[in-house]
Amino acid sequence: DTAVSQTPKYLVTQMGNDKSIKCEQNLGHDTMYWYKQDSKKFLKIMFSYNNKELIINETVPNRFSPKSPDKAHLNLHINSLELGDSAVYFCASSGRLAGEFFGPGTRLTVL
Amino acid sequence: GESVGLHLPTLSVQEGDNSIINCAYSNSASDYFIWYKQESGKGPQFIIDIRSNMDKRQGQRVTVLLNKTVKHLSLQIAATQPGDSAVYFCAEMDGFQKLVFGTGTRLLVSP
Repeated sequence: DTAVSQTPKYLVTQMGNDKSIKCEQNLGHDTMYWYKQDSKKFLKIMFSYNNKELIINETVPNRFSPKSPDKAHLNLHINSLELGDSAVYFCASSGRLAGEFFGPGTRLTVL
Repeated sequence: GESVGLHLPTLSVQEGDNSIINCAYSNSASDYFIWYKQESGKGPQFIIDIRSNMDKRQGQRVTVLLNKTVKHLSLQIAATQPGDSAVYFCAEMDGFQKLVFGTGTRLLVSP
């Protein structure tokens, strides 16, 4: 059983396009996150949602809009994609007592 | 191919050796710390955590040591195996319940 799943695994698109990445967790966790990992493997939090409410927004451009239809899902929509958006995006979730559990990642390549 | 990880500090060990991966954290108010393992093409995987009221915690083949005086965290892996080869990240939980990740260390285990 997959705990945190993301789709798609790979996303290749042209500059200026709009794309979405979906995330689902079946762990019953209240909190979900989006992270960005750059080409140097640096991991940085973008957003955090707790029970569908935005908790953390780390000065991410407005082109990035997370949406949480329920506490098991946190999707990431990106408008007007730019070259610098190319990275691996990880969804994660956490409960009260333990650390965060990460999804397998979505590698986004903007051409 | 991709050039990811070329700037990561690297620790090379022989199979069977003990490995020690070090991490300096920045926030003296951080009270929760986690070590993650990231294999190529996968998301970070929780290994072990420690709270600031402890200075040592042991898991299966892994031990985390916390020195709050010098803001230093280490991960010890006993009898390192080729399957331990990965990038290892330390992360600290800041006062805003946000995980801040270190830059990562690549562990290479030779048979």
